[in-house]
Amino acid sequence: AQSVTQLGSHVSVSEGALVLLRCNYSSSVPPYLFWYVQYPNQGLQLLLKYTTGATLVKGINGFEAEFKKSETSFHLTKPSAHMSDAAEYFCAVKYVIQGAQKLVFGQGTRLTINP
Amino acid sequence: GAVVSQHPSRVICKSGTSVKIECRSLDFQATTMFWYRQFPKQSLMLMATSNEGSKATYEQGVEKDKFLINHASLTLSTLTVTSAHPEDSSFYICSASFGTGLNQPQHFGDGTRLSIL
Repeated sequence: AQSVTQLGSHVSVSEGALVLLRCNYSSSVPPYLFWYVQYPNQGLQLLLKYTTGATLVKGINGFEAEFKKSETSFHLTKPSAHMSDAAEYFCAVKYVIQGAQKLVFGQGTRLTINP
Repeated sequence: GAVVSQHPSRVICKSGTSVKIECRSLDFQATTMFWYRQFPKQSLMLMATSNEGSKATYEQGVEKDKFLINHASLTLSTLTVTSAHPEDSSFYICSASFGTGLNQPQHFGDGTRLSIL
């Protein structure tokens, strides 16, 4: 079965520090990968996506992610954390299952920013 | 671009009431719409997928008669929770995508928090 694993349900960093949120996936075919952010009581906002081409993908709010096929990873990074980055982050992989497209989410990582 | 509006944002009602949640794509035509349920501090669980003009495809374990989905147009899908009970209380989120390509992202609404007393 296809799956997405986010290492660390909770990550805490200081303001200005590097943010690294980990995501690994299992897939027997080339994946389509997404990172979403969710603020409290809101839906999900697309941060970035990888489909084909350049493996380093830049998204909104200064985030970027690198697709590493050999490691089956798609980790999300931001060089300098801001207080407004505090939120829940979801990694997702899109698959075709029995002819239907499905977006499979990781369990989420809650990012806390310390002043 | 790619704005999805979900309404209402919050519903509180008595047990046995039926509740309708609307999901609209405001600036694009949504070929496919998805309905998710999210429990506190958990990830999103796909409930069903709907294509305009077709019957929704439900995930295993989701009761079709409890969660009625209608996708009558390319910009509107509705989820009706029939005869809601306290165990149906949850955060429901819709999403929409344009086209059938795998590289098309899903665009999410802001969710509906349903509380059944």
